[in-house]
Amino acid sequence: DQQVKQNSPSLSVQEGRISILNCDYTNSMFDYFLWYKKYPAEGPTFLISISSIKDKNEDGRFTVFLNKSAKHLSLHIVPSQPGDSAVYFCAASSNYGGSQGNLIFGKGTKLSVKP
Amino acid sequence: SQTIHQWPATLVQPVGSPLSLECTVEGTSNPNLYWYRQAAGRGLQLLFYSVGIGQISSEVPQNLSASRPQDRQFILSSKKLLLSDSGFYLCAWGIYNSPLHFGNGTRLTVT
Repeated sequence: DQQVKQNSPSLSVQEGRISILNCDYTNSMFDYFLWYKKYPAEGPTFLISISSIKDKNEDGRFTVFLNKSAKHLSLHIVPSQPGDSAVYFCAASSNYGGSQGNLIFGKGTKLSVKP
Repeated sequence: SQTIHQWPATLVQPVGSPLSLECTVEGTSNPNLYWYRQAAGRGLQLLFYSVGIGQISSEVPQNLSASRPQDRQFILSSKKLLLSDSGFYLCAWGIYNSPLHFGNGTRLTVT
């Protein structure tokens, strides 16, 4: 059973508008959540993270929201740019910092930002 | 700054042949090292991780093995590849309280 779910395999957004990528998790022990961005033929690159003690973390155009009661997090990109077109992976861990292994990844959402 | 090198970028191997993928990290000491695999249409699955030389933890039973002969070197191997071993293999490194950093991956096709 998937512990981290990204139910939308793809999302298309107009340049300048908001992109909202969603992620749901089932394991209540997860206490650290990350978003990674992946271009074709490259490894994922870390984008933004949030610990379970917060409900929002912002970094420039990227904001991650965490709703622990709903076991849901989302990534907002405002404004969206064509260069944001990539596959976005949600990941979760039960070890703070996510660096002790066992980052559990979702299947990813392919974002396309149209000019 | 830290960098991670992974090679080769692509590999086509026949069923039953051996495999060796290598990953090295520069600019950091005693990192945790990881091998992930992304099969077609699936998320990233953790295969192995290592917290030190000679220390390997396996997350899923499989046809693969890993070794860490040096502090910043991580090797993924197989004695006999299966068709189901095809996928995108990613090496990553991390230290406590920081996100993982991934290499550019190896696209393995077993024919």
